[in-house]
Amino acid sequence: GAVVSQHPSRVICKSGTSVKIECRSLDFQATTMFWYRQFPKQSLMLMATSNEGSKATYEQGVEKDKFLINHASLTLSTLTVTSAHPEDSSFYICSAKPLYGTSGTDTQYFGPGTRLTVL
Amino acid sequence: EDKVVQSPLSLVVHEGDTVTLNCSYEVTNFRSLLWYKQEKKAPTFLFMLTSSGIEKKSGRLSSILDKKELFSILNITATQTGDSAVYLCAVLSGGSYIPTFGRGTSLIVHP
Repeated sequence: GAVVSQHPSRVICKSGTSVKIECRSLDFQATTMFWYRQFPKQSLMLMATSNEGSKATYEQGVEKDKFLINHASLTLSTLTVTSAHPEDSSFYICSAKPLYGTSGTDTQYFGPGTRLTVL
Repeated sequence: EDKVVQSPLSLVVHEGDTVTLNCSYEVTNFRSLLWYKQEKKAPTFLFMLTSSGIEKKSGRLSSILDKKELFSILNITATQTGDSAVYLCAVLSGGSYIPTFGRGTSLIVHP
């Protein structure tokens, strides 16, 4: 149980294009999903908290117009990197906090991540 | 500001060795501590600890929390090459669901 999927797993795009990444909780409902970015050999950096039915909360320094987040349902959140540039190349990971769970609601389950490369 | 410090930052051992990874924290209103294992992809959940002195165990992995001294340890006995990964510790505090992550401990297990 508690499986989170991300799609695509890997994407290569040209500078200036937009890329959408989907995060789905497959077997549980999640009112809250988190989007992280991770650079090589570094820890996870929280970008934003996504709540179903409301606007996302962005961390300081993260441009909300560049990283558009939509949390349309209790099982789906999307991150769109708009007008991507090479410096946006990174590993993007989502996590979902179950509405209910045997491990307690503090547990977050991570998706497998999306490797974005912007040429 | 909440702080989570993991040590060591990296560790290289041979198969069969036992390792202890440390996570100390300074947070306001501690609620829970989580351990994750990250291989090439995203982290996978290992343990959640909320109470002092109660060991959580899963196979060769075990973890315990000391809320008085503000740290947790993750033990791996009889290590295998498949244990090679970055182990992340994260702490939740107050009413927030946003964890504070440590930098991780990179474990390499040689055959």
